[in-house]
Parts: sequence; structure tokens; C-alpha cells
Amino acid sequence: GENVEQHPSTLSVQEGDSAVIKCTYSDSASNYFPWYKQELGKRPQLIIDIRSNVGEKKDQRIAVTLNKTAKHFSLHITETQPEDSAVYFCAARETGNMLTFGGGTRLMVKP
Amino acid sequence: EPEVTQTPSHQVTQMGQEVILRCVPISNHLYFYWYRQILGQKVEFLVSFYNNEISEKSEIFDDQFSVERPDGSNFTLKIRSTKLEDSAMYFCASNGGLAGVEQFFGPGTRLTVL
Repeated sequence: GENVEQHPSTLSVQEGDSAVIKCTYSDSASNYFPWYKQELGKRPQLIIDIRSNVGEKKDQRIAVTLNKTAKHFSLHITETQPEDSAVYFCAARETGNMLTFGGGTRLMVKP
Repeated sequence: EPEVTQTPSHQVTQMGQEVILRCVPISNHLYFYWYRQILGQKVEFLVSFYNNEISEKSEIFDDQFSVERPDGSNFTLKIRSTKLEDSAMYFCASNGGLAGVEQFFGPGTRLTVL
């Protein structure tokens, strides 16, 4: 089955700096890669996703890049704000619908 | 905006007891899921359900677990005989299928097994 590794596990940045979170996956058949943001005690919420036929996708301050050959994808947050502080999870979907999640990154944005 | 809802928000039970966690997926969605998250750990897939049957399940989803769509709106997860290690947050999710791949998560039920 799919295995998703996520790094780093914690990331601390100054407000206004950029943050980058990286994930690798094992199954070359995976075709959909969402990123979820989870605030303390809340549900995971999708912030951006990318399909395997696209190399990059951007939505305002958030972007995701995908390298299918290397089997890794990354989340980029620019101009970070304190409200970006949360745990971020990457995930990969294989041929069915189940999502396999990475271990999570706790992002702390210091004002 | 429609949301997935779950009840109860917190369930405390004794080891060996049966629990039923309830979910109301978004009304026009076709695929339903249960995930769990042990405190401080990653979200883990349990099971997916489509067209009134299980379509995928993980190794975690053993004979102690079952799912059901008893009517047109509810989707339930039953744990027959709870163990201490079943303590976790259980999230229900739904999506529209292949055309709508985003999975929308409910707020979760925190299950505590004593």
C-alpha cells in the first residue's frame, strides 16, 4: 500500500517569512495529493490539492508543487501570518478513494 | 455551505462496551469514509463506503468494526467490543465521487475508552 512521509515534523518561522513542507510517497499509481490544515481540536480542512497531471498549483499565498518522477510534493506558504499556525497534513490517493496521510507538520508563525 | 456533522462530539465508554458513532454526510455525496486520529498522531483511513457496501478498508478495520447506512442520511460506525487502544478522534468524511474528489471532514467524535 501507499506510504507517505512528511518533513519537517515541526517548523517555526517569523511572520512574513515563507514556509515549505515536503512529502514523499511510495506508490507511483497515486494520482491526487491534497493538503489539509488542522487547527487544535478541529476537523482537517482542505487548503489546496493537486492532481498528477499538473506540476504546480497556486492559490493566493499557498502553492503546491508535484514531482512525479521523484514522487514528492511540497506545500509553500508565502508571507506567513500568525493565523497560519496549525498542523498541516499531506495525503496521497491511490487508485481507489482512500487517502493515506503523512505524519503532519506543526507550523508555528511567530509574530 | 453544507457540512458533514457528527454525533456525539465526545463519547466515554468502558472497555468491552459497544459504541456507535453517527455521521450525517453532505446530502448529495456518494462516498463516505471513516478515519481515526490517535492523539498527536496522523489521520488513518479505516473504511470507505459506496452504493451501500464497503469499497475499501484498512488493516485497522477488523471484525470489531462495522459500518452501516441505516437510512438516507445517516452513516454509522460501530465498534463491537471497545479496547483501550480504540481511544481516538474518529472523523467521518464524504465526497461526491470521481468528479468531486475533495473529501469533506466532519468535526469528529472523541472516543475515550476507560
